[in-house]
Amino acid sequence: SQELEQSPQSLIVQEGKNLTINCTSSKTLYGLYWYKQKYGEGLIFLMMLQKGGEEKSHEKITAKLDEKKQQSSLHITASQPSHAGIYLCGAETPGGTYKYIFGTGTRLKVLA
Amino acid sequence: EPEVTQTPSHQVTQMGQEVILRCVPISNHLYFYWYRQILGQKVEFLVSFYNNEISEKSEIFDDQFSVERPDGSNFTLKIRSTKLEDSAMYFCASRAAAYEQYFGPGTRLTVT
Repeated sequence: SQELEQSPQSLIVQEGKNLTINCTSSKTLYGLYWYKQKYGEGLIFLMMLQKGGEEKSHEKITAKLDEKKQQSSLHITASQPSHAGIYLCGAETPGGTYKYIFGTGTRLKVLA
Repeated sequence: EPEVTQTPSHQVTQMGQEVILRCVPISNHLYFYWYRQILGQKVEFLVSFYNNEISEKSEIFDDQFSVERPDGSNFTLKIRSTKLEDSAMYFCASRAAAYEQYFGPGTRLTVT
């Protein structure tokens, strides 16, 4: 079965610093989704990547999917306290129902 | 902006009791899902629902669980006889044909 591993598991950065979160799949990705979760709350959709080599940006967050479609990265530029939370990568599994499996999550803390 | 809603936000129940978790998906979406997240662990897929029937379920979704879309707007998850290990956040999600899933804010279920 497909597994997603995220690294690092947790990250503490000073406000204004850049950071990168990685997500590695054990199998080729059909669709890769990044979500943000605040502790004890729901998942907020950030970005979707489907094509090898694809890159998308929204405000200060950039997500990339490698050419082989087995690894994705999420990069935050000039981090702010509002970026704090848990970042989850999710992968769509083939087979028609489009269910997701999720990575282990990366807990981000931004120090003001 | 349309959103997925869930009620209640927090449910406390005694072991062995039945609980029903309710969700209102986004109105024009076709696929509906339940996921759960035990505290500190991954978000796990439970079941997907399409065209008024279960399309896929995980090993977690045993005979104690059932789903229903009783009136074309609500989507419910029933746990017949709750166990301590059912304590978790339960997330409902919905999606249109080929896009990202939208998650509700979750219901925190505590079984005592």
